[in-house]
Amino acid sequence: DADVTQTPRNRITKTGKRIMLECSQTKGHDRMYWYRQDPGLGLQLIYYSFDVKDINKGEISDGYSVSRQAQAKFSLSLESAIPNQTALYFCATSDSGTGLNTGELFFGEGSRLTVL
Amino acid sequence: AQSVAQPEDQVNVAEGNPLTVKCTYSVSGNPYLFWYVQYPNRGLQFLLKYITGDNLVKGSYGFEAEFNKSQTSFHLKKPSALVSDSALYFCAVRDPYSSASKIIFGSGTRLSIRP
Repeated sequence: DADVTQTPRNRITKTGKRIMLECSQTKGHDRMYWYRQDPGLGLQLIYYSFDVKDINKGEISDGYSVSRQAQAKFSLSLESAIPNQTALYFCATSDSGTGLNTGELFFGEGSRLTVL
Repeated sequence: AQSVAQPEDQVNVAEGNPLTVKCTYSVSGNPYLFWYVQYPNRGLQFLLKYITGDNLVKGSYGFEAEFNKSQTSFHLKKPSALVSDSALYFCAVRDPYSSASKIIFGSGTRLSIRP
């Protein structure tokens, strides 16, 4: 089984619909992240969470919200989807990046979202 | 503020030839540097990292990277390219002196290996 699991892997929806992308991990990491990937733009950070009670906005949080339900679960919501949110979304986890930990990211396989 | 640049959108190499994918960074102090690879329809996979010590770092699939502090570069290299190396490669940097710092990614370089 994958260490970082995203559901759904593919989703087609219509403008104005609410969408939730879910992420669960078995790495035991405290830190979780949601990224968006568009062609030619690399990865952009949407939200990140350093522990269950800590949620932070990333570079492009407008139009998105998140929920950290447990250490292992971090979901991303689009309250009212619009076509320019069509993209590939990745969840990732990392350790604390302090002490002997170096903070590299472990990614899920991605969720491809198409908004018509 | 930390940043990372990959100056080439695409690199084309013949199979069997050496390859280099370039990366430069900007961060105060000594950075943590990473390379990731993304195959089609897959998530990013960790290739290698530089934390400290030897400037030449070896990673997965025969890749290596050379840290050059004076040139603020961390170029990815492989002595003999394979067609299966064709993928999207991302360089990333992190400031280790801030526990709240995040990994920042470059825009990616598409590597194409022709038979």
